[in-house]
Amino acid sequence: DAGVIQSPRHEVTEMGQEVTLRCKPISGHDYLFWYRQTMMRGLELLIYFNNNVPIDDSGMPEDRFSAKMPNASFSTLKIQPSEPRDSAVYFCASSLVRTRLTDTQYFGPGTRLTVL
Amino acid sequence: DAKTTQPNSMESNEEEPVHLPCNHSTISGTDYIHWYRQLPSQGPEYVIHGLTSNVNNRMASLAIAEDRKSSTLILHRATLRDAAVYYCILRNTGNQFYFGTGTSLTVIP
Repeated sequence: DAGVIQSPRHEVTEMGQEVTLRCKPISGHDYLFWYRQTMMRGLELLIYFNNNVPIDDSGMPEDRFSAKMPNASFSTLKIQPSEPRDSAVYFCASSLVRTRLTDTQYFGPGTRLTVL
Repeated sequence: DAKTTQPNSMESNEEEPVHLPCNHSTISGTDYIHWYRQLPSQGPEYVIHGLTSNVNNRMASLAIAEDRKSSTLILHRATLRDAAVYYCILRNTGNQFYFGTGTSLTVIP
């Protein structure tokens, strides 16, 4: 398996523009997670899905952020409008939860977003 | 959610064992202890996890204190490729991983 795939790997945009980050989870995995990593705040969970349904979006910073999972093999994280403080590395992860407490999350390589 | 405490940084000489400590004094009976590491410019990767007993795999060993209030990740022979940030995480009945600041491991040739 190719692992979790994220695109683009790097994104540079100007403040106010819409940004869409994409993720393809590992085939067969039923959980998908979006994380954001910054120097100041470390690695933060933004939202996660189970069987394509959003379960907890309490980590989404504000209404400018939205995430969708239209099918089991694709998810997007959208920021509209983007702001300089959104600059970070965004990771997608997936897991197959055989038991809740022992599941392993597999992370993608991340998308480095820079908002000018 | 229960929290973990790790040293900010540690150093080790290449080919020597490394013991990375983690304190989790508020751990509950059902919390599993997970370790992940993040190599430079990569996403985190799973290392090992356990509940009560010590665990071994091809990457590392996990030693869990009898009272479960602390644990130690053991790399038996550090290599330069082991230089990374190591995260100790408590896995509860929710579906969330809370990553702390981790321990940045430097391996000295």
